[in-house]
Amino acid sequence: NAGVTQTPKFQVLKTGQSMTLQCAQDMNHEYMSWYRQDPGMGLRLIHYSVGAGITDQGEVPNGYNVSRSTTEDFPLRLLSAAPSQTSVYFCASSFHRGGTEAFFGQGTRLTVV
Amino acid sequence: EDKVVQSPLSLVVHEGDTVTLNCSYEVTNFRSLLWYKQEKKAPTFLFMLTSSGIEKKSGRLSSILDKKELFSILNITATQTGDSAVYLCVLNSGGSNYKLTFGKGTLLTVNP
Repeated sequence: NAGVTQTPKFQVLKTGQSMTLQCAQDMNHEYMSWYRQDPGMGLRLIHYSVGAGITDQGEVPNGYNVSRSTTEDFPLRLLSAAPSQTSVYFCASSFHRGGTEAFFGQGTRLTVV
Repeated sequence: EDKVVQSPLSLVVHEGDTVTLNCSYEVTNFRSLLWYKQEKKAPTFLFMLTSSGIEKKSGRLSSILDKKELFSILNITATQTGDSAVYLCVLNSGGSNYKLTFGKGTLLTVNP
């Protein structure tokens, strides 16, 4: 039972480069979301999806794109990396209804130089 | 806008002490309140609370919710160094604005 698989674990980018963080879950969860975690800021919601084909912006969406073509996958794209996007990124999934717990991926530590 | 405030932000105790972590919240459409433990990696689930006054317990950890006063507490008795972590309080709100709102966390350090 893989749960939520997030790749890569570490990444260093140069300013202006683009990249995609991958997130996949095998629990048939409708709800998937991306967060960034910065010191003193807690986890902040970037984008989320309540099902395939449906995405919406969270608290800090600028500079990021998402898509949800399947229930399993929810990739996060950095369009043109900036040093302000240096952070730890977490993907999470849960059932949409019923207020169940969220399951987290292992995180991606991204450094933009 | 939904909001979660945790206190204290950090806490240092000695092994064997009992600690109480606080979480207050504001929400439009409450579904549940979750507690997670984070140790330098992904948060791991501790408790989900949906009803007031019903204590959830797991070993030395316990938690309770007060939906009237809009707060929850997480208690840890007989603390151990392995309890050192950031404890996150997370609000799960439902309806058309289903989402998770995170508190900033309480950093607990348990010294030998």
